Amino acid sequence: GAGVSQTPSNKVTEKGKYVELRCDPISGHTALYWYRQSLGQGPEFLIYFQGTGAADDSGLPNDRFFAVRPEGSVSTLKIQRTERGDSAVYLCASSTGLADTQYFGPGTRLTVL
Amino acid sequence: AQTVTQSQPEMSVQEAETVTLSCTYDTSENNYYLFWYKQPPSRQMILVIRQEAYKQQNATENRFSVNFQKAAKSFSLKISDSQLGDTAMYFCAFIQGAQKLVFGQGTRLTINP
Repeated sequence: GAGVSQTPSNKVTEKGKYVELRCDPISGHTALYWYRQSLGQGPEFLIYFQGTGAADDSGLPNDRFFAVRPEGSVSTLKIQRTERGDSAVYLCASSTGLADTQYFGPGTRLTVL
Repeated sequence: AQTVTQSQPEMSVQEAETVTLSCTYDTSENNYYLFWYKQPPSRQMILVIRQEAYKQQNATENRFSVNFQKAAKSFSLKISDSQLGDTAMYFCAFIQGAQKLVFGQGTRLTINP
């Protein structure tokens, strides 16, 4: 595709439920990133993939958060036992590699009731 | 730890005026990259301009230019002949080594007709 796509655009769930957020990067981009943006804040890094492996997951807030990229393309961010504090916009970005410009998707707005 | 500071939470100018958004950052490294991203209400994070720290020449992209002062760790964005479509949140961001972008808090820019 022409750009990074993310699905769903919006997700409303109840506290304690499990959610999956999907990111489809720009074709040919080997690096993929997840960020979380709380209301009125700048995005904060969660995890970075180079190919299929997580090169840096230091931004994941706790073990309820997990992300995969099994074939080096599409990635899924998984959140278990959601909490109201998880409500935010989750942004995905991709790039061709080291220090290259990151191109962002439109984000998924997650609301935990 | 690297930090990025945007000291102007909000700015407002008239259409066709020039506006400058401020950004300072903190790093002990010598080789890094700086970015300005624009985020309109659609949530899509759009790259405005990029600067490599090893380049002394300030980057320009049409109406957008930067004033990069490496010694002062300052990276301001100048928008000339501002247009209504420039209304958005603007984020300054920094990347070095670990691949993750570090964002500032953002500046909400409004262009008035």
